[in-house]
Amino acid sequence: AQSVTQLGSHVSVSEGALVLLRCNYSSSVPPYLFWYVQYPNQGLQLLLKYTTGATLVKGINGFEAEFKKSETSFHLTKPSAHMSDAAEYFCDVGGSNYKLTFGKGTLLTVNP
Amino acid sequence: NAGVTQTPKFQVLKTGQSMTLQCAQDMNHNSMYWYRQDPGMGLRLIYYSASEGTTDKGEVPNGYNVSRLNKREFSLRLESAAPSQTSVYFCASSEVAGLYNEQFFGPGTRLTVL
Repeated sequence: AQSVTQLGSHVSVSEGALVLLRCNYSSSVPPYLFWYVQYPNQGLQLLLKYTTGATLVKGINGFEAEFKKSETSFHLTKPSAHMSDAAEYFCDVGGSNYKLTFGKGTLLTVNP
Repeated sequence: NAGVTQTPKFQVLKTGQSMTLQCAQDMNHNSMYWYRQDPGMGLRLIYYSASEGTTDKGEVPNGYNVSRLNKREFSLRLESAAPSQTSVYFCASSEVAGLYNEQFFGPGTRLTVL
């Protein structure tokens, strides 16, 4: 069975500041990890994913995430926040079935 | 290439009414999913179809039925709507069953049940 915990339902940063969104997972099988972004009034779209290989994964819009097996974490970062990054972000883990297990989401607010 | 499309975009129902939410994908994906999204709850899986001809319950299936009409289309039916079903509904699809399960989402249907 898989589960995801996103730490912080709401994160607020200033424009130009570091973005750090935290995700911890549990999985009974080697995990496949995803971050999705949801802009207001839209569906979710994939930011990045980790399957195997390099543990630092780069995604769209300057985001990246690092898979740390020892910490069961997959935190999302961006060095410099932009106003357009304001959205809700979901961490997800896929396991040995057809389904993804979504975290409850973190709403990112970017202040000018 | 439209991706995943959903109709309608908005709907208001009275308690007890029925309706069907439509979903179609043009990516030749095998698997399709229905989620609901409620504030503070994230996305919860209602039903999914791993492949054409199969459907299975997800986390919150009560009050819903689904039909995988063909490989492209996957509909969600509310037989007797209740206020607790007020939510945003998302349809998604993925290429094949397996661990690389990236999903592609539609724009959502906002449903209000009065």
